[in-house]
Amino acid sequence: DVKVTQSSRYLVKRTGEKVFLECVQDMDHENMFWYRQDPGLGLRLIYFSYDVKMKEKGDIPEGYSVSREKKERFSLILESASTNQTSMYLCASSPGTEYVQYFGPGTRLLVL
Amino acid sequence: QQQVKQSPQSLIVQKGGISIINCAYENTAFDYFPWYQQFPGKGPALLIAIRPDVSEKKEGRFTISFNKSAKQFSLHIMDSQPGDSATYFCAATLSRASGSRLTFGEGTQLTVNP
Repeated sequence: DVKVTQSSRYLVKRTGEKVFLECVQDMDHENMFWYRQDPGLGLRLIYFSYDVKMKEKGDIPEGYSVSREKKERFSLILESASTNQTSMYLCASSPGTEYVQYFGPGTRLLVL
Repeated sequence: QQQVKQSPQSLIVQKGGISIINCAYENTAFDYFPWYQQFPGKGPALLIAIRPDVSEKKEGRFTISFNKSAKQFSLHIMDSQPGDSATYFCAATLSRASGSRLTFGEGTQLTVNP
C-alpha cells in the first residue's frame, strides 16, 4: 500500500513564527503536492513538484515556499505564519505516469 | 479562479436513498475526472474516475454520469448507507507528461441517516 505520512496531525503556532510541514512518501513517486483544505473552498493547490529540486506554484502560493531535496520528502514552509494560514494542510503524491493522487492524513494548523 | 464548481455543499439522505452530487467544469481540455472520498480525520482517497470518451461509469453502488456537451458530471450513490457518510470532492485534470495536477470542486458533505 502507498503510504504518505505527515509529520504532525495538529500544530499550534504563533503569528510570525516560521513553520515547517513535512511530508514523506514511500512509493518512489515522482510527483508531490501540497494543498490546503478549507470548508466551502475545497482543496486548493499551494505548490507541487514533479522531480527532486523542482517546484511549481499552484493556485495559492503566496506566503508559502517548498523544498524537495530528496525524492521521498516534500516540505511546506510558512516563512512568517499568519492567522489566515490557519487551515488543514494535505500532502499528496502520485507516480509520474498516473493521475491518481495518494493523500496523507493532513496536518491541522492553528496560528494564534 | 475556480474551474470546477460542485453542488450541493451538503446533502442529507436516508439510508437506502440515492445521493446525487453535481459538478461543472470550464476547461474543455480537461481529460480525466476523478471523485475522491474523505472520511473524518483521513486524507481524501480516489473513489471512481471517468474519461470524457464515455458517458457513464459504474463501480458497485457508485456511478459517474458525464455530459461532455454540457461540461457537467455527477456522482450517484445508489442504496446509500450510513458508512457512505463522508465528504466527496469532484476533480478534473489536464494530463501532461511531467505529472498531473488536479483542480478540485468545493466538496460535498454527505450524511446518510440510518
